[in-house]
Amino acid sequence: GNSVTQMEGPVTLSEEAFLTINCTYTATGYPSLFWYVQYPGEGLQLLLKATKADDKGSNKGFEATYRKETTSFHLEKGSVQVSDSAVYFCALIGGPIQGAQKLVFGQGTRLTINP
Amino acid sequence: DTGVSQNPRHKITKRGQNVTFRCDPISEHNRLYWYRQTLGQGPEFLTYFQNEAQLEKSRLLSDRFSAERPKGSFSTLEIQRTEQGDSAMYLCASDKVSGNTIYFGEGSWLTVV
Repeated sequence: GNSVTQMEGPVTLSEEAFLTINCTYTATGYPSLFWYVQYPGEGLQLLLKATKADDKGSNKGFEATYRKETTSFHLEKGSVQVSDSAVYFCALIGGPIQGAQKLVFGQGTRLTINP
Repeated sequence: DTGVSQNPRHKITKRGQNVTFRCDPISEHNRLYWYRQTLGQGPEFLTYFQNEAQLEKSRLLSDRFSAERPKGSFSTLEIQRTEQGDSAMYLCASDKVSGNTIYFGEGSWLTVV
Protein backbone atom coordinates (compact mmCIF):
# COMPACT_ATOMS: atom_id res chain seq x y z
CA GLY A 1 0.00 0.00 0.00
CA ASN A 2 0.89 3.67 -0.05
CA SER A 3 3.14 5.00 2.68
CA VAL A 4 5.13 8.08 3.67
CA THR A 5 8.32 8.17 5.69
CA GLN A 6 9.56 11.37 7.27
CA MET A 7 12.76 12.32 8.94
CA GLU A 8 12.52 11.67 12.65
CA GLY A 9 12.31 14.63 14.95
CA PRO A 10 12.46 16.66 16.93
CA VAL A 11 14.46 19.18 14.95
CA THR A 12 15.82 22.22 16.75
CA LEU A 13 17.37 25.12 14.86
CA SER A 14 18.36 28.69 15.49
CA GLU A 15 16.50 31.53 13.83
CA GLU A 16 17.65 32.22 10.25
CA ALA A 17 19.08 28.71 9.85
CA PHE A 18 18.43 26.62 6.74
CA LEU A 19 15.80 23.92 7.12
CA THR A 20 15.41 20.57 5.40
CA ILE A 21 12.86 17.97 6.45
CA ASN A 22 13.19 14.78 4.45
CA CYS A 23 10.19 12.91 3.10
CA THR A 24 10.10 9.80 0.94
CA TYR A 25 7.10 7.89 -0.25
CA THR A 26 5.96 4.56 -1.62
CA ALA A 27 2.99 4.57 -3.95
CA THR A 28 1.62 2.91 -7.02
CA GLY A 29 0.89 5.14 -9.94
CA TYR A 30 1.34 8.89 -9.73
CA PRO A 31 0.47 10.30 -6.33
CA SER A 32 -0.09 13.93 -5.42
CA LEU A 33 2.15 15.12 -2.59
CA PHE A 34 1.49 17.56 0.23
CA TRP A 35 3.06 19.21 3.23
CA TYR A 36 0.72 20.11 6.09
CA VAL A 37 1.65 22.11 9.20
CA GLN A 38 0.11 21.79 12.65
CA TYR A 39 0.62 24.56 15.19
CA PRO A 40 0.19 23.73 18.88
CA GLY A 41 -3.41 22.92 19.76
CA GLU A 42 -4.65 23.42 16.22
CA GLY A 43 -5.70 21.32 13.26
CA LEU A 44 -3.80 20.85 10.02
CA GLN A 45 -3.15 23.59 7.52
CA LEU A 46 -2.05 22.90 3.97
CA LEU A 47 1.40 24.40 3.46
CA LEU A 48 2.11 23.40 -0.14
CA LYS A 49 1.43 20.71 -2.72
CA ALA A 50 2.68 19.23 -5.98
CA THR A 51 0.66 17.07 -8.31
CA LYS A 52 3.18 15.74 -10.80
CA ALA A 53 6.85 14.91 -11.17
CA ASP A 54 9.26 17.87 -11.12
CA ASP A 55 6.54 20.23 -9.84
CA LYS A 56 7.71 22.58 -7.12
CA GLY A 57 5.26 23.62 -4.43
CA SER A 58 5.99 26.79 -2.51
CA ASN A 59 4.38 28.93 0.17
CA LYS A 60 5.56 31.27 2.95
CA GLY A 61 9.20 30.74 1.99
CA PHE A 62 8.89 26.94 2.11
CA GLU A 63 9.56 24.84 -0.99
CA ALA A 64 9.39 21.19 -1.96
CA THR A 65 10.05 19.51 -5.30
CA TYR A 66 8.33 16.31 -6.41
CA ARG A 67 11.18 13.95 -7.36
CA LYS A 68 9.83 10.79 -8.91
CA GLU A 69 13.25 9.25 -9.50
CA THR A 70 14.07 9.34 -5.78
CA THR A 71 10.41 9.15 -4.60
CA SER A 72 11.03 12.18 -2.42
CA PHE A 73 9.38 15.48 -1.51
CA HIS A 74 11.78 17.17 0.90
CA LEU A 75 10.68 20.40 2.57
CA GLU A 76 13.15 23.31 2.61
CA LYS A 77 13.28 26.86 3.84
CA GLY A 78 16.23 29.17 3.52
CA SER A 79 15.82 31.14 6.75
CA VAL A 80 13.50 29.91 9.48
CA GLN A 81 11.71 32.06 12.03
CA VAL A 82 10.52 31.36 15.55
CA SER A 83 6.95 31.41 14.20
CA ASP A 84 7.77 28.36 12.04
CA SER A 85 7.87 26.18 15.16
CA ALA A 86 5.24 23.50 14.58
CA VAL A 87 4.79 19.89 13.53
CA TYR A 88 5.16 19.25 9.79
CA PHE A 89 3.47 16.34 8.03
CA CYS A 90 4.26 14.99 4.61
CA ALA A 91 1.31 13.29 2.93
CA LEU A 92 0.15 11.80 -0.34
CA ILE A 93 -3.01 10.98 -2.18
CA GLY A 94 -2.57 8.01 -4.47
CA GLY A 95 -3.61 9.12 -7.93
CA PRO A 96 -5.23 12.27 -9.33
CA ILE A 97 -6.62 14.49 -6.60
CA GLN A 98 -10.17 14.30 -7.89
CA GLY A 99 -10.06 10.56 -8.25
CA ALA A 100 -8.86 9.46 -4.83
CA GLN A 101 -9.69 10.92 -1.48
CA LYS A 102 -7.56 9.38 1.25
CA LEU A 103 -4.56 11.28 2.50
CA VAL A 104 -1.77 9.04 3.78
CA PHE A 105 0.41 10.88 6.29
CA GLY A 106 3.91 10.47 7.60
CA GLN A 107 4.45 10.44 11.34
CA GLY A 108 5.27 14.14 11.52
CA THR A 109 8.40 16.09 12.36
CA ARG A 110 8.39 18.51 15.27
CA LEU A 111 10.36 21.67 14.52
CA THR A 112 11.47 24.11 17.20
CA ILE A 113 13.17 27.37 16.27
CA ASN A 114 15.10 29.17 18.99
CA PRO A 115 15.59 32.94 18.85
CA ASP B 1 -15.59 30.90 3.91
CA THR B 2 -15.81 30.14 7.62
CA GLY B 3 -13.68 27.02 7.52
CA VAL B 4 -14.35 23.54 8.88
CA SER B 5 -15.84 23.73 12.36
CA GLN B 6 -15.68 20.97 14.96
CA ASN B 7 -17.17 20.67 18.43
CA PRO B 8 -16.64 20.02 21.16
CA ARG B 9 -12.95 20.87 20.97
CA HIS B 10 -12.19 18.84 24.07
CA LYS B 11 -14.05 16.00 25.72
CA ILE B 12 -13.08 14.00 28.80
CA THR B 13 -15.21 10.94 29.39
CA LYS B 14 -15.20 7.86 31.54
CA ARG B 15 -14.52 4.49 30.01
CA GLY B 16 -17.71 2.90 28.81
CA GLN B 17 -19.54 6.15 28.10
CA ASN B 18 -20.69 7.23 24.64
CA VAL B 19 -19.43 10.40 23.01
CA THR B 20 -20.46 12.28 19.87
CA PHE B 21 -18.49 14.79 17.85
CA ARG B 22 -19.92 17.15 15.28
CA CYS B 23 -18.33 18.55 12.15
CA ASP B 24 -19.63 21.39 10.00
CA PRO B 25 -17.75 21.42 6.69
CA ILE B 26 -17.19 24.39 4.43
CA SER B 27 -20.62 25.10 3.02
CA GLU B 28 -20.12 24.27 -0.65
CA HIS B 29 -18.01 21.16 0.01
CA ASN B 30 -19.70 17.89 -0.85
CA ARG B 31 -17.02 15.55 0.50
CA LEU B 32 -16.38 15.16 4.21
CA TYR B 33 -13.70 13.07 5.93
CA TRP B 34 -12.93 11.88 9.42
CA TYR B 35 -9.36 11.15 10.56
CA ARG B 36 -7.91 10.08 13.88
CA GLN B 37 -4.59 11.32 15.21
CA THR B 38 -2.89 9.81 18.25
CA LEU B 39 -0.05 11.51 20.08
CA GLY B 40 3.13 11.66 18.06
CA GLN B 41 1.59 10.15 14.95
CA GLY B 42 0.18 11.40 11.71
CA PRO B 43 -3.57 11.39 11.10
CA GLU B 44 -5.13 8.15 9.90
CA PHE B 45 -8.15 7.97 7.62
CA LEU B 46 -11.37 6.68 9.21
CA THR B 47 -14.18 7.32 6.76
CA TYR B 48 -15.56 9.69 4.18
CA PHE B 49 -18.86 10.90 2.76
CA GLN B 50 -19.82 12.28 -0.60
CA ASN B 51 -22.98 14.21 0.09
CA GLU B 52 -24.95 11.97 2.45
CA ALA B 53 -23.45 8.69 1.24
CA GLN B 54 -20.72 7.05 3.29
CA LEU B 55 -18.48 5.70 0.56
CA GLU B 56 -15.57 4.18 2.46
CA LYS B 57 -14.74 3.06 5.96
CA SER B 58 -11.31 2.14 7.26
CA ARG B 59 -10.68 -1.06 9.16
CA LEU B 60 -9.76 1.26 12.03
CA LEU B 61 -13.45 2.08 12.38
CA SER B 62 -14.62 -0.64 14.73
CA ASP B 63 -18.27 -1.54 15.37
CA ARG B 64 -18.30 0.93 18.25
CA PHE B 65 -17.80 3.82 15.83
CA SER B 66 -20.55 5.20 13.66
CA ALA B 67 -20.58 8.25 11.44
CA GLU B 68 -23.49 9.93 9.76
CA ARG B 69 -24.11 12.83 7.44
CA PRO B 70 -27.88 12.80 7.24
CA LYS B 71 -28.54 15.74 4.93
CA GLY B 72 -25.21 15.99 3.24
CA SER B 73 -24.20 18.96 5.38
CA PHE B 74 -22.88 18.45 8.92
CA SER B 75 -21.62 15.09 10.14
CA THR B 76 -21.49 13.34 13.49
CA LEU B 77 -19.03 10.74 14.73
CA GLU B 78 -20.26 8.67 17.65
CA ILE B 79 -18.11 6.34 19.73
CA GLN B 80 -19.99 3.90 21.91
CA ARG B 81 -18.61 2.23 25.03
CA THR B 82 -15.42 4.24 24.88
CA GLU B 83 -12.09 2.61 25.71
CA GLN B 84 -8.83 4.20 26.78
CA GLY B 85 -7.39 3.37 23.38
CA ASP B 86 -9.93 5.72 21.81
CA SER B 87 -8.12 8.69 23.32
CA ALA B 88 -6.99 10.76 20.34
CA MET B 89 -7.75 13.83 18.31
CA TYR B 90 -10.54 13.34 15.81
CA LEU B 91 -10.09 15.54 12.76
CA CYS B 92 -12.73 16.43 10.23
CA ALA B 93 -11.91 17.66 6.74
CA SER B 94 -13.82 18.64 3.64
CA ASP B 95 -13.38 19.40 -0.03
CA LYS B 96 -15.26 19.60 -3.30
CA VAL B 97 -15.29 16.80 -5.81
CA SER B 98 -14.00 19.34 -8.32
CA GLY B 99 -11.49 20.83 -5.90
CA ASN B 100 -7.86 20.05 -5.25
CA THR B 101 -7.37 21.00 -1.62
CA ILE B 102 -8.64 19.25 1.50
CA TYR B 103 -9.33 21.61 4.40
CA PHE B 104 -9.09 20.43 7.99
CA GLY B 105 -10.88 21.57 11.11
CA GLU B 106 -9.13 22.22 14.40
CA GLY B 107 -9.95 18.78 15.72
CA SER B 108 -11.77 17.36 18.72
CA TRP B 109 -9.60 15.98 21.51
CA LEU B 110 -10.98 12.94 23.31
CA THR B 111 -9.56 11.73 26.61
CA VAL B 112 -10.99 8.52 28.04
CA VAL B 113 -10.25 8.04 31.73
